[in-house]
Amino acid sequence: DTAVSQTPKYLVTQMGNDKSIKCEQNLGHDTMYWYKQDSKKFLKIMFSYNNKELIINETVPNRFSPKSPDKAHLNLHINSLELGDSAVYFCASSQMEGGTEAFFGQGTRLTVV
Amino acid sequence: SQQGEEDPQALSIQEGENATMNCSYKTSINNLQWYRQNSGRGLVHLILIRSNEREKHSGRLRVTLDTSKKSSSLLITASRAADTASYFCATGMDSNYQLIWGAGTKLIIKP
Repeated sequence: DTAVSQTPKYLVTQMGNDKSIKCEQNLGHDTMYWYKQDSKKFLKIMFSYNNKELIINETVPNRFSPKSPDKAHLNLHINSLELGDSAVYFCASSQMEGGTEAFFGQGTRLTVV
Repeated sequence: SQQGEEDPQALSIQEGENATMNCSYKTSINNLQWYRQNSGRGLVHLILIRSNEREKHSGRLRVTLDTSKKSSSLLITASRAADTASYFCATGMDSNYQLIWGAGTKLIIKP
């Protein structure tokens, strides 16, 4: 029933490791996003995909690589994790671009130690 | 990039009182949206107001939009403890693939 689901919910890992966060939406939306929310709750867009194609790629280290195997999935792979990557990462989707509401997943709290 | 700015950053009121949060933005928009985020959870869409609308209601929520001042307000009437959350505004353009987010207002409703 969950509209946008992402896994895992919590991720604790050591510096230098590579990790992935998965996201799936069952809403039939064309557009999916990855956001990073820092400790001050500021929400920053990282990537946006429309129909499996990368639309937005904000200034994000190239250690972060999104992958969209189909329009219902947008996974985030992070290489060589750093302490500063610790944050909550949210996946979201919307029917179309900025003109409609976005549906968010529950978030993945990443802690790099 | 951040455009919206909510104020106040934090608001603490008694249950039953009304809560008003404001959002200002800088560029042209097609719509402005308000979201709620409960602690440890994802954001939930509350209401969307288009640039040609001035006011919109949804249950206990009332949103206003003043495009000449590039500002919006969210009013929650008869607040409840369950309204305790962070509230974010986001602006959108129909042709753009992203929403521009504010930093949020943390609302605490004291029982």
